[in-house]
Amino acid sequence: GEKVEQHESTLSVREGDSAVINCTYTDTASSYFPWYKQEAGKSLHFVIDIRSNVDRKQSQRLIVLLDKKAKRFSLHITATQPEDSAIYFCAASRNSGTYQRFGTGTKLQVVP
Amino acid sequence: DMKVTQMPRYLIKRMGENVLLECGQDMSHETMYWYRQDPGLGLQLIYISYDVDSNSEGDIPKGYRVSRKKREHFSLILDSAKTNQTSVYFCASSRDWSSAETLYFGSGTRLTVL
Repeated sequence: GEKVEQHESTLSVREGDSAVINCTYTDTASSYFPWYKQEAGKSLHFVIDIRSNVDRKQSQRLIVLLDKKAKRFSLHITATQPEDSAIYFCAASRNSGTYQRFGTGTKLQVVP
Repeated sequence: DMKVTQMPRYLIKRMGENVLLECGQDMSHETMYWYRQDPGLGLQLIYISYDVDSNSEGDIPKGYRVSRKKREHFSLILDSAKTNQTSVYFCASSRDWSSAETLYFGSGTRLTVL
């Protein structure tokens, strides 16, 4: 089955800088790649996703890039703010017949 | 108000006791999930339910069972809990059977098995 690897377990950036979190996947048929955010002591919530028919998607300060050849996707957070500090999970799935499999999470710390 | 509600938030049980975790959603979502979250392992799917009485095993179903008798409720049952089932359990739901849908998560249940 699908395996999603999240390469950075922790990441520290200065406020205002950009943060990049990278994930790879194994199933070439995967076509949906969401990202979820978990603030300290709280649950997960969806932040942005990308589907395989595009290679870039932006929502305000969040940018997701998808490289299907390399089976790699990444989350870029620009102009980071303290409230961006959280654990970010990437996930991948096909359109149907499977379920989302998650990476192990990246703890992002934005320092003043 | 779109919400996934989990009860209880915290639970302490002794090894061998039975555990019932409950989850509800008010979005009429077809599909519901139970995940567990452990440090360094991320989220692992225990069971998925596509609708009432239509449940399938996830990646780590051993030691767990589920029940879905109404679309809005999904229960996770641990018969004779083990210490290695100490974890944070998350319930989630999505609109339909497609796996390419946003998951909505509950607030989690922190279970400690002594």
